[in-house]
Amino acid sequence: GAVVSQHPSWVICKSGTSVKIECRSLDFQATTMFWYRQFPKQSLMLMATSNEGSKATYEQGVEKDKFLINHASLTLSTLTVTSAHPEDSSFYICSVRPGTRNYEQYFGPGTRLTVT
Amino acid sequence: RKEVEQDPGPFNVPEGATVAFNCTYSNSASQSFFWYRQDCRKEPKLLMSVYSSGNEDGRFTAQLNRASQYISLLIRDSKLSDSATYLCVVNLPSRGATNKLIFGTGTLLAVQP
Repeated sequence: GAVVSQHPSWVICKSGTSVKIECRSLDFQATTMFWYRQFPKQSLMLMATSNEGSKATYEQGVEKDKFLINHASLTLSTLTVTSAHPEDSSFYICSVRPGTRNYEQYFGPGTRLTVT
Repeated sequence: RKEVEQDPGPFNVPEGATVAFNCTYSNSASQSFFWYRQDCRKEPKLLMSVYSSGNEDGRFTAQLNRASQYISLLIRDSKLSDSATYLCVVNLPSRGATNKLIFGTGTLLAVQP
């Protein structure tokens, strides 16, 4: 069964609105969660890393005020795309890392965002 | 230079063929290596880890050459269901004790009937 869920699986929104994407770890408590973005025919690009109980660490070039990450609990992380623009249209994927191994990650099914 | 480089393909092969994918990584401090598979519009899924001694899982064989910073994946007896994008992934140590995965752009494989 699925280890990680994401909601919604796809969303279409108008330019200027905000969109919240949820990532849930179903089978274990995730001390670390990651958010990735993938544009068509490109690789997954890490946006930010969050550890439960602390602020997210954003990768270079990712605006923390535009992409708000809240690691609300050991099983839930949310990514909010604020004031979305068409160039934010992408495939957003979260992954979770259980505390047992430092490299093992489980990916959610992704959220496809289209901003019109 | 990209941290992880792959030939984007596409590799069009007939069923039953053997196909090999290559990958190079730039950071010699990289600790762990993986091949992921990604189907169209889906999330990536772990295919196999890559060990220094080389490892095999059924029709799939992975090799690692740390000196050359080179990783390979060999698929024997290709099946139609092998059609997907294969992502070379490297685990990069970073400050703060949170390692992160760096993905290559992927190599597209299309197995033809």
